[in-house]
Amino acid sequence: DTGVSQDPRHKITKRGQNVTFRCDPISEHNRLYWYRQTLGQGPEFLTYFQNEAQLEKSRLLSDRFSAERPKGSFSTLEIQRTEQGDSAMYLCASSGGGGNSGANVLTFGAGSRLTVL
Amino acid sequence: GDSVTQMEGPVTLSEEAFLTINCTYTATGYPSLFWYVQYPGEGLQLLLKATKADDKGSNKGFEATYRKETTSFHLEKGSVQVSDSAVYFCALGLGGGYNKLIFGAGTRLAVHP
Repeated sequence: DTGVSQDPRHKITKRGQNVTFRCDPISEHNRLYWYRQTLGQGPEFLTYFQNEAQLEKSRLLSDRFSAERPKGSFSTLEIQRTEQGDSAMYLCASSGGGGNSGANVLTFGAGSRLTVL
Repeated sequence: GDSVTQMEGPVTLSEEAFLTINCTYTATGYPSLFWYVQYPGEGLQLLLKATKADDKGSNKGFEATYRKETTSFHLEKGSVQVSDSAVYFCALGLGGGYNKLIFGAGTRLAVHP
């Protein structure tokens, strides 16, 4: 297993277009997270899946954003009608479950950078 | 609400200097605390963690102690190397059935020969 994979690494799009990012987590991890990171800031939580169930969505995730994890493996994050303010790095992470969940370690992918012109 | 505050960067040091990056947190309950590092062009990597008060996390010469009385988790290294140049993020982990992390804004470290 080579870790968390994200695709594409960089996407440039025009305002108003739709974009989709894909995340392939570590295969034995049942938890998957999406974060957004803007320049000079730390990652901000967007949403969380346990297996195929989306259990929490941040207020940052407007109606234009939708995330899925249909079979509990890979996940997609779609942004509809992109705006310039959506320009950011979108990070995916995964972790295992059980035990002291507060101590479970998140493994991050390298991220997908979105530039909206 | 729950939050993490880190010292602003950039921090610029000469090789072999002592490093401290301050981190304080606000949280309800008993969070776990983490330091993640982001090297240029790479994803976030866990550097060290501590799960309860007075625990000390350590890795690669870096250390941080979970201080509940001062709500702090300062990162230290006795002798930095050029290869330590990166952005360092302090984070707290909320339990409640899953590990949602709340990150600080990050501190950029530049180490010169």
